[in-house]
Amino acid sequence: NAGVTQTPKFRVLKTGQSMTLLCAQDMNHEYMYWYRQDPGMGLRLIHYSVGEGTTAKGEVPDGYNVSRLKKQNFLLGLESAAPSQTSVYFCASSTREWPYEQYFGPGTRLTVT
Amino acid sequence: GNSVTQMEGPVTLSEEAFLTINCTYTATGYPSLFWYVQYPGEGLQLLLKATKADDKGSNKGFEATYRKETTSFHLEKGSVQVSDSAVYFCALSDRYGGSQGNLIFGKGTKLSVKP
Repeated sequence: NAGVTQTPKFRVLKTGQSMTLLCAQDMNHEYMYWYRQDPGMGLRLIHYSVGEGTTAKGEVPDGYNVSRLKKQNFLLGLESAAPSQTSVYFCASSTREWPYEQYFGPGTRLTVT
Repeated sequence: GNSVTQMEGPVTLSEEAFLTINCTYTATGYPSLFWYVQYPGEGLQLLLKATKADDKGSNKGFEATYRKETTSFHLEKGSVQVSDSAVYFCALSDRYGGSQGNLIFGKGTKLSVKP
């Protein structure tokens, strides 16, 4: 099993450009999450999904959109990138059983200039 | 609301030294507690967990005990190795918090172990 994979690993965008980050998991997990990691801030939840076709906002959702068209995939979109979105983005997945142990992908490092 | 506070880093130790990284939490419900580790350039890996008071999580020589009376979940290891150099995150998940399974993270503690 590959676990959780993320595409791409690195990306540089100019302000105002758009892009989509792809997360895929092969563990048949119901729940999926997008986090961002910034120096000294730990990880903060952007959006999450509890099943195919459902999404919900996390702690820092502004400027991002998500979609969960297939159970195994969770997409994170930036419609108009801003320098404040320079960060490392992590995707995670978990079963719907308590305590919702999460498995993380390797991350995408995004720089917005 | 829920929150996690862990000791500021960085922490620098010599090989075979004893490690403690403090973590305290605030939660309104019945949280589960986790320690995740992030090696350089990688994603987070679950190191250990505890789901109820007085549980002890352990893995790879690391231990942490869920102390409800002190709202703490301190990470310990008796003898660290150079390969333990990483960033360690304490996190909680509140079963009845309303946002299924969302992890609340501390800011992370960077550990460097010198030979």
